[in-house]
Amino acid sequence: DIQMTQSPSSVSASVGDRVTITCRASQGISSWLAWYQQKPGKAPKLLIYAASSLQSGVPSRFSGSGSGTDFTLTISSLQPEDFATYYCQQANSFPPGFTFGPGTKVDIK
Amino acid sequence: EVQLVESGGGLVQPGGSLRLSCAASGFTFSSYEMNWVRQAPGKGLEWVSYISSSGSTIYYADSVKGRFTISRDNAKNSLYLQMNSLRAEDTAVYYCARGGVAATLPYWGQGTLVTVSS
Repeated sequence: DIQMTQSPSSVSASVGDRVTITCRASQGISSWLAWYQQKPGKAPKLLIYAASSLQSGVPSRFSGSGSGTDFTLTISSLQPEDFATYYCQQANSFPPGFTFGPGTKVDIK
Repeated sequence: EVQLVESGGGLVQPGGSLRLSCAASGFTFSSYEMNWVRQAPGKGLEWVSYISSSGSTIYYADSVKGRFTISRDNAKNSLYLQMNSLRAEDTAVYYCARGGVAATLPYWGQGTLVTVSS
C-alpha cells in the first residue's frame, strides 16, 4: 500500500505570508496527486489535481508542484479565508482506492 | 449546480446496522463514478468505497470489506452504503463524493454523522 505523509502537521502564519506544505508518497505516484482544503464542519474542497492543475474557480494564489514521491502545495499570499486544514490525496493506486495524507492545519499566527 | 445530500446517519449500537443514502442532482448521475469517504471526529479523511457509473465495479477499503456494501440506483439518482456489524471505530462523518478527472473527488455532500456506541 502507498502511504502518504505531510509536513508540517501544522503551521502558524499571518495574512500575506507565503505558505508551503509538503506531501511525500512512500513510492512513486507519477503526477497522480490532488490537494484539498477543509474548513471546520465543512466538506473538503478540491484545489489542485494532477499535481499542478488548478481546479476551476480556485484562486491563482494556490499552486502545486512535484512528481514521483515529493509534492508541494504553495499559497503565495495567505488570505483570511485560507485558514483551514489541507490534505493531499494519491490516486496512482486507484483502483482499488484513494489514500489521503494526514493533513496540515494552517492557523493564524 | 451539482448537489449531493446524504442522509441516514444516527446513533447505533455496536454490532448494529445502518443504511446511508446520497441523493444526487445537477448532473447526469448515471455517467459518474461515486465514492464514500469518512472522517472520524478530529481525524483525517479515509476513503471507504467506490462504485463505477454502471455499478458493475466496486471496491472497498480493507477496514470495511465484508461489512459494508455500496450500491446505486441510477433511475433514482441515488447512492447507498449499507453498513453492518458496526464497530466503535466506524464512528465518523460519512461523505458521498463524485468522481472526477485524474481520479479526484471534485464534489462532496455535506456529510452525515454515524455514531456507534452503546
